[in-house]
Amino acid sequence: QVQLQESGPGLVKPSQTLSLTCTVSGGSISSGSYYWSWIRQPAGKGLEWIGRIYTSGSTNYNPSLKSRVTISVDTSKNQFSLKLSSVTAADTAVYYCARDILGEAFDIWGQGTMVTVSS
Amino acid sequence: DIQMTQSPSSLSASVGDRVTITCQASQDISNYLNWYQQKPGKAPKLLIYDASNLETGVPSRFSGSGSGTDFTFTISSLQPEDIATYYCQQYDNPITFGQGTRLEIK
Repeated sequence: QVQLQESGPGLVKPSQTLSLTCTVSGGSISSGSYYWSWIRQPAGKGLEWIGRIYTSGSTNYNPSLKSRVTISVDTSKNQFSLKLSSVTAADTAVYYCARDILGEAFDIWGQGTMVTVSS
Repeated sequence: DIQMTQSPSSLSASVGDRVTITCQASQDISNYLNWYQQKPGKAPKLLIYDASNLETGVPSRFSGSGSGTDFTFTISSLQPEDIATYYCQQYDNPITFGQGTRLEIK
Protein backbone atom coordinates (compact mmCIF):
# COMPACT_ATOMS: atom_id res chain seq x y z
CA GLN A 1 0.00 0.00 0.00
CA VAL A 2 1.05 3.59 -0.58
CA GLN A 3 3.02 5.20 2.22
CA LEU A 4 4.36 8.72 2.64
CA GLN A 5 7.41 9.83 4.60
CA GLU A 6 8.51 13.38 5.31
CA SER A 7 12.16 14.30 5.67
CA GLY A 8 14.16 17.44 6.25
CA PRO A 9 15.80 19.60 8.91
CA GLY A 10 14.06 19.80 12.25
CA LEU A 11 15.51 23.21 13.05
CA VAL A 12 15.50 26.27 10.81
CA LYS A 13 16.76 29.75 11.65
CA PRO A 14 14.44 32.75 11.39
CA SER A 15 14.39 34.41 7.95
CA GLN A 16 15.76 31.27 6.31
CA THR A 17 13.95 28.79 4.04
CA LEU A 18 12.29 25.66 5.36
CA SER A 19 12.75 22.72 3.00
CA LEU A 20 10.99 19.38 3.31
CA THR A 21 10.63 16.36 1.05
CA CYS A 22 7.92 13.73 0.98
CA THR A 23 8.85 10.32 -0.42
CA VAL A 24 6.05 8.17 -1.78
CA SER A 25 6.51 4.41 -1.54
CA GLY A 26 4.36 1.45 -2.51
CA GLY A 27 3.07 3.13 -5.64
CA SER A 28 3.88 5.66 -8.32
CA ILE A 29 3.36 9.32 -7.57
CA SER A 30 2.19 9.66 -11.17
CA SER A 31 -0.55 7.04 -11.08
CA GLY A 32 -4.18 7.88 -10.53
CA SER A 33 -5.97 11.20 -10.22
CA TYR A 34 -4.18 12.43 -7.13
CA TYR A 35 -2.81 15.68 -5.94
CA TRP A 36 -0.07 15.77 -3.34
CA SER A 37 -0.45 18.22 -0.48
CA TRP A 38 1.34 19.74 2.46
CA ILE A 39 -0.50 20.48 5.71
CA ARG A 40 0.87 21.81 8.98
CA GLN A 41 -0.18 21.84 12.61
CA PRO A 42 1.33 24.04 15.33
CA ALA A 43 1.60 22.32 18.68
CA GLY A 44 -1.78 22.03 20.36
CA LYS A 45 -3.54 23.76 17.47
CA GLY A 46 -5.54 22.93 14.37
CA LEU A 47 -4.64 21.97 10.83
CA GLU A 48 -3.65 24.41 8.08
CA TRP A 49 -3.50 23.40 4.42
CA ILE A 50 -0.38 24.84 2.78
CA GLY A 51 -0.78 23.80 -0.84
CA ARG A 52 -0.83 21.01 -3.38
CA ILE A 53 0.79 19.86 -6.60
CA TYR A 54 -0.32 17.59 -9.42
CA THR A 55 2.26 15.46 -11.19
CA SER A 56 1.89 17.70 -14.24
CA GLY A 57 3.47 20.38 -12.07
CA SER A 58 0.35 22.50 -11.60
CA THR A 59 0.04 23.93 -8.11
CA ASN A 60 -2.48 25.53 -5.76
CA TYR A 61 -1.40 27.41 -2.66
CA ASN A 62 -3.18 28.73 0.39
CA PRO A 63 -3.44 32.49 -0.23
CA SER A 64 -2.27 33.14 3.32
CA LEU A 65 1.11 31.55 2.50
CA LYS A 66 1.28 31.89 -1.26
CA SER A 67 3.98 34.56 -1.35
CA ARG A 68 6.37 32.32 0.59
CA VAL A 69 5.54 28.79 -0.63
CA THR A 70 6.88 26.68 -3.46
CA ILE A 71 5.84 23.06 -3.96
CA SER A 72 7.61 20.96 -6.57
CA VAL A 73 7.57 17.35 -7.73
CA ASP A 74 10.25 14.93 -8.90
CA THR A 75 8.48 12.00 -10.49
CA SER A 76 11.75 10.18 -11.17
CA LYS A 77 12.37 10.00 -7.43
CA ASN A 78 8.70 9.59 -6.48
CA GLN A 79 8.98 12.67 -4.29
CA PHE A 80 7.43 16.06 -3.84
CA SER A 81 8.87 18.94 -1.87
CA LEU A 82 7.96 22.04 0.10
CA LYS A 83 9.91 25.25 0.41
CA LEU A 84 8.72 27.98 2.76
CA SER A 85 10.79 31.14 2.73
CA SER A 86 11.38 33.89 5.29
CA VAL A 87 10.28 31.72 8.19
CA THR A 88 9.45 33.03 11.64
CA ALA A 89 8.56 31.38 14.94
CA ALA A 90 4.95 31.28 13.73
CA ASP A 91 6.01 28.65 11.18
CA THR A 92 7.00 26.21 13.93
CA ALA A 93 4.75 23.20 13.48
CA VAL A 94 4.43 19.56 12.58
CA TYR A 95 4.42 19.37 8.80
CA TYR A 96 2.50 16.58 7.09
CA CYS A 97 2.48 15.47 3.50
CA ALA A 98 -0.69 13.81 2.27
CA ARG A 99 -2.27 12.24 -0.78
CA ASP A 100 -5.07 14.43 -1.96
CA ILE A 101 -7.94 12.79 -3.86
CA LEU A 102 -8.89 15.13 -6.68
CA GLY A 103 -8.33 18.13 -4.44
CA GLU A 104 -11.03 16.97 -2.07
CA ALA A 105 -9.93 14.64 0.73
CA PHE A 106 -6.66 13.52 2.26
CA ASP A 107 -6.74 9.74 2.40
CA ILE A 108 -3.11 8.89 3.12
CA TRP A 109 -0.83 10.92 5.39
CA GLY A 110 2.82 10.83 6.33
CA GLN A 111 3.68 10.50 10.00
CA GLY A 112 4.59 14.17 10.19
CA THR A 113 7.85 15.94 10.92
CA MET A 114 8.38 18.60 13.56
CA VAL A 115 10.07 21.78 12.36
CA THR A 116 11.16 24.41 14.86
CA VAL A 117 12.10 27.92 13.80
CA SER A 118 14.64 29.26 16.24
CA SER A 119 18.05 30.88 16.28
CA ASP B 1 -11.81 31.81 2.71
CA ILE B 2 -14.61 29.67 4.08
CA GLN B 3 -14.59 29.50 7.88
CA MET B 4 -15.53 26.22 9.55
CA THR B 5 -16.90 26.40 13.08
CA GLN B 6 -17.00 23.20 15.07
CA SER B 7 -18.87 22.64 18.29
CA PRO B 8 -18.30 21.74 20.96
CA SER B 9 -14.57 22.36 21.24
CA SER B 10 -14.36 19.56 23.80
CA LEU B 11 -16.67 16.81 24.89
CA SER B 12 -16.68 14.21 27.64
CA ALA B 13 -18.83 11.09 27.21
CA SER B 14 -19.17 7.57 28.53
CA VAL B 15 -18.48 4.33 26.70
CA GLY B 16 -21.61 3.38 24.80
CA ASP B 17 -22.90 6.95 24.54
CA ARG B 18 -24.09 8.51 21.30
CA VAL B 19 -21.79 11.42 20.47
CA THR B 20 -22.57 14.26 18.08
CA ILE B 21 -20.28 16.98 16.76
CA THR B 22 -21.44 19.79 14.53
CA CYS B 23 -19.62 21.83 11.91
CA GLN B 24 -20.96 25.01 10.37
CA ALA B 25 -19.58 26.58 7.21
CA SER B 26 -19.53 30.35 6.68
CA GLN B 27 -21.12 29.83 3.26
CA ASP B 28 -22.81 27.09 1.25
CA ILE B 29 -20.38 24.26 0.51
CA SER B 30 -22.92 21.70 -0.79
CA ASN B 31 -21.56 18.36 0.47
CA TYR B 32 -17.88 19.31 0.17
CA LEU B 33 -17.18 18.23 3.73
CA ASN B 34 -14.93 15.57 5.25
CA TRP B 35 -14.32 14.37 8.81
CA TYR B 36 -11.01 13.23 10.29
CA GLN B 37 -9.92 11.57 13.52
CA GLN B 38 -6.55 12.47 15.04
CA LYS B 39 -5.07 10.58 17.96
CA PRO B 40 -2.23 12.14 20.00
CA GLY B 41 1.07 12.15 18.17
CA LYS B 42 -0.48 10.70 15.02
CA ALA B 43 -1.53 12.01 11.64
CA PRO B 44 -5.22 12.59 10.99
CA LYS B 45 -7.24 9.73 9.53
CA LEU B 46 -10.04 10.21 7.03
CA LEU B 47 -13.34 8.83 8.36
CA ILE B 48 -16.11 10.43 6.31
CA TYR B 49 -15.95 12.05 2.88
CA ASP B 50 -18.49 14.09 0.92
CA ALA B 51 -20.43 14.68 4.16
CA SER B 52 -21.90 11.20 4.54
CA ASN B 53 -19.74 8.54 2.88
CA LEU B 54 -17.84 6.17 5.14
CA GLU B 55 -14.21 5.67 4.15
CA THR B 56 -13.28 2.04 3.49
CA GLY B 57 -12.40 0.15 6.66
CA VAL B 58 -13.94 2.68 9.04
CA PRO B 59 -16.37 1.18 11.58
CA SER B 60 -20.04 1.72 10.89
CA ARG B 61 -20.61 3.41 14.25
CA PHE B 62 -19.22 6.54 12.60
CA SER B 63 -21.56 8.53 10.38
CA GLY B 64 -21.99 11.97 8.90
CA SER B 65 -24.83 14.03 7.51
CA GLY B 66 -25.70 17.49 6.29
CA SER B 67 -25.36 19.76 3.31
CA GLY B 68 -25.12 23.45 2.60
CA THR B 69 -23.75 25.06 5.75
CA ASP B 70 -24.66 22.66 8.55
CA PHE B 71 -23.10 19.27 9.10
CA THR B 72 -23.17 16.61 11.80
CA PHE B 73 -20.74 13.86 12.75
CA THR B 74 -22.02 11.03 14.96
CA ILE B 75 -20.52 8.12 16.85
CA SER B 76 -23.47 5.84 17.60
CA SER B 77 -21.85 3.98 20.50
CA LEU B 78 -18.63 5.45 21.87
CA GLN B 79 -15.73 3.03 22.25
CA PRO B 80 -12.54 3.61 24.28
CA GLU B 81 -10.45 3.67 21.09
CA ASP B 82 -12.49 6.61 19.78
CA ILE B 83 -10.74 9.01 22.14
CA ALA B 84 -9.23 11.57 19.79
CA THR B 85 -9.66 15.00 18.31
CA TYR B 86 -12.06 15.23 15.38
CA TYR B 87 -11.80 17.78 12.56
CA CYS B 88 -14.12 18.77 9.78
CA GLN B 89 -12.60 19.97 6.50
CA GLN B 90 -14.18 21.68 3.52
CA TYR B 91 -12.65 21.50 0.06
CA ASP B 92 -13.84 24.62 -1.68
CA ASN B 93 -10.47 26.22 -2.50
CA PRO B 94 -8.63 27.07 -0.33
CA ILE B 95 -9.13 24.05 1.85
CA THR B 96 -9.91 24.89 5.46
CA PHE B 97 -10.40 22.86 8.62
CA GLY B 98 -12.54 23.33 11.69
CA GLN B 99 -10.74 24.06 14.93
CA GLY B 100 -11.27 20.52 16.23
CA THR B 101 -13.34 18.77 18.88
CA ARG B 102 -11.46 16.97 21.63
CA LEU B 103 -13.34 13.89 22.76
CA GLU B 104 -12.63 12.39 26.18
CA ILE B 105 -14.00 9.47 28.14
CA LYS B 106 -16.05 10.37 31.19
